[in-house]
Amino acid sequence: DSGVTQTPKHLITATGQRVTLRCSPRSGDLSVYWYQQSLDQGLQFLIQYYNGEERAKGNILERFSAQQFPDLHSELNLSSLELGDSALYFCASSPRGTINEQFFGPGTRLTVL
Amino acid sequence: AQTVTQSQPEMSVQEAETVTLSCTYDTSESNYYLFWYKQPPSRQMILVIRQEAYKQQNATENRFSVNFQKAAKSFSLKISDSQLGDTAMYFCAFMKPNTGNQFYFGTGTSLTVIP
Repeated sequence: DSGVTQTPKHLITATGQRVTLRCSPRSGDLSVYWYQQSLDQGLQFLIQYYNGEERAKGNILERFSAQQFPDLHSELNLSSLELGDSALYFCASSPRGTINEQFFGPGTRLTVL
Repeated sequence: AQTVTQSQPEMSVQEAETVTLSCTYDTSESNYYLFWYKQPPSRQMILVIRQEAYKQQNATENRFSVNFQKAAKSFSLKISDSQLGDTAMYFCAFMKPNTGNQFYFGTGTSLTVIP
């Protein structure tokens, strides 16, 4: 158990809909990262937040957005969903300061029908 | 942009044998970090080992070790005494500091340990 929690574990929805994925980082970790892993592919970096502010942006679609709240949990919002958005979405967190690995949550599997 | 290449989509190894997974990366940076993550069927991402580019000594964690060749931009993972629980996808990752610690992942190598 990495200490990073993600809810829900599974999400099934229809095209055109909007969903919110939630992530709680490890206690004390200020950075949160979101990744998308499509079927049989590697992880694609979407976005990073550090202590409530956006720090880095990757291949995130305009239909997607994220935020980090004062309690440091983060939410990833996916709207106007398409079939191709079906994937495993991971959240990871890392501590402040010296270089550290990222600790990954168990992921949310999104299925768009 | 940094790129990470894992040229072996699938590999297999007999239980108790040794296997080496390859990873190459492309960067103009001199200071960076490299990681191997394991993703078993549960899909959980688990850190296996990390290497700081400024360290010449290869990292080792129990049965896992790396062969880090900075000039060749190569970072291979050696698994000794393979166990059935080592069956998983293995991802190589590159991180450049001071960029928000953003990770760049390879496409992964699926390793199967055969009893």
